[in-house]
Amino acid sequence: GAGVSQTPSNKVTEKGKYVELRCDPISGHTALYWYRQSLGQGPEFLIYFQGTGAADDSGLPNDRFFAVRPEGSVSTLKIQRTERGDSAVYLCASSLNGGPGANVLTFGAGSRLTVL
Amino acid sequence: AQKVTQAQTEISVVEKEDVTLDCVYETRDTTYYLFWYKQPPSGELVFLIRRNSFDEQNEISGRYSWNFQKSTSSFNFTITASQVVDSAVYFCALSEAGRGGNKLTFGTGTQLKVEL
Repeated sequence: GAGVSQTPSNKVTEKGKYVELRCDPISGHTALYWYRQSLGQGPEFLIYFQGTGAADDSGLPNDRFFAVRPEGSVSTLKIQRTERGDSAVYLCASSLNGGPGANVLTFGAGSRLTVL
Repeated sequence: AQKVTQAQTEISVVEKEDVTLDCVYETRDTTYYLFWYKQPPSGELVFLIRRNSFDEQNEISGRYSWNFQKSTSSFNFTITASQVVDSAVYFCALSEAGRGGNKLTFGTGTQLKVEL
């Protein structure tokens, strides 16, 4: 597509529920990133995919968070047993073929998650 | 560890005024990259500039200019003759070339409000 597409744009859930957030990167971009942005803060790195594999998942806060990219295109961020502290905007970005040093990251509009 | 500090939380100016957004960074790497992103109310992060650590030349793009000074670890952003459309949150970010090169570390952002 023309840009990075994220769905849903808004998700409200109850504490303890499972949620999935989807990211559709720019066509042909091999690198995909997930970031989390809390209110009044800058985005924080969660995970980076190169193709189908997670090349760096050091930013995932705990084992309730998991992400997949089975065909090297669309990615899904999965959060189990959601907690109120998980409330944030989850941003996805993609780049042509690698890290931000050599590649411009294009961000989506984000998925706003609210855990009640 | 890498860190980015944007001490100005919010700046308000009147249209046509010049405004400078400050950014100070910390890194142990000798090779690194600095970025500025704009986040309008729509939420998408818009890339503005990338600068590598070996290029200290100032850059001008239209009404935007950037001043990179390694001696003070600063990468400041100036908007000349500000316009209402410049109102947004601006983020400075850093990426190291080493093992952490897959991630951007963002500052907390500066909210710029340009009023008529």
